[in-house]
Amino acid sequence: DADVTQTPRNRITKTGKRIMLECSQTKGHDRMYWYRQDPGLGLRLIYYSFDVKDINKGEISDGYSVSRQAQAKFSLSLESAIPNQTALYFCATSDGRVGWTDTQYFGPGTRLTVL
Amino acid sequence: SQKIEQNSEALNIQEGKTATLTCNYTNYSPAYLQWYRQDPGRGPVFLLLIRENEKEKRKERLKVTFDTTLKQSLFHITASQPADSATYLCALVLPYGGSQGNLIFGKGTKLSVKP
Repeated sequence: DADVTQTPRNRITKTGKRIMLECSQTKGHDRMYWYRQDPGLGLRLIYYSFDVKDINKGEISDGYSVSRQAQAKFSLSLESAIPNQTALYFCATSDGRVGWTDTQYFGPGTRLTVL
Repeated sequence: SQKIEQNSEALNIQEGKTATLTCNYTNYSPAYLQWYRQDPGRGPVFLLLIRENEKEKRKERLKVTFDTTLKQSLFHITASQPADSATYLCALVLPYGGSQGNLIFGKGTKLSVKP
């Protein structure tokens, strides 16, 4: 089984709808991240969480919110989806105890289309 | 703000040749750089990490160099194979403040190895 899973894998929705993307991990890592990837723009950090009680905004948090329900679960919500939120979304985890040499482990991604 | 650039969006080479990908950064030098591989529709996968006090790191057919004077990392794949075709991402760490340990990703270079 995959260490980092994301649901759903694909989602098409309409402008104004509320959407939740879910991420679960079995790696036992404290740190979790949400990124979006757009052609020509690369990976950009939306939110990150260093533990259940520590949640922080990333580079592009406007229009998004997150919830860290447990060490293993980190959800990303779009309260009112808009077309420019159409993108590929990735969840990632890292150990956090290794310090600056942390590597990140990515989920398979969720392709979101907002019409 | 810190910027990271991968000079080529795409690189096409012949099987058996050495592929060389470039990653440049501005402002301060990171404590280390990481390289990831991303296949279409999948999440990035960690390949190699190099610290600022290391000139070179090798793993099988992969080699990474780090020149803090030039603010540049080079990623080499020797004896390239069609299976090496993918997008390669450079990432550097943010070593300061509350976001310590977070990564900034380059936009990636898409490598195509032709038989």
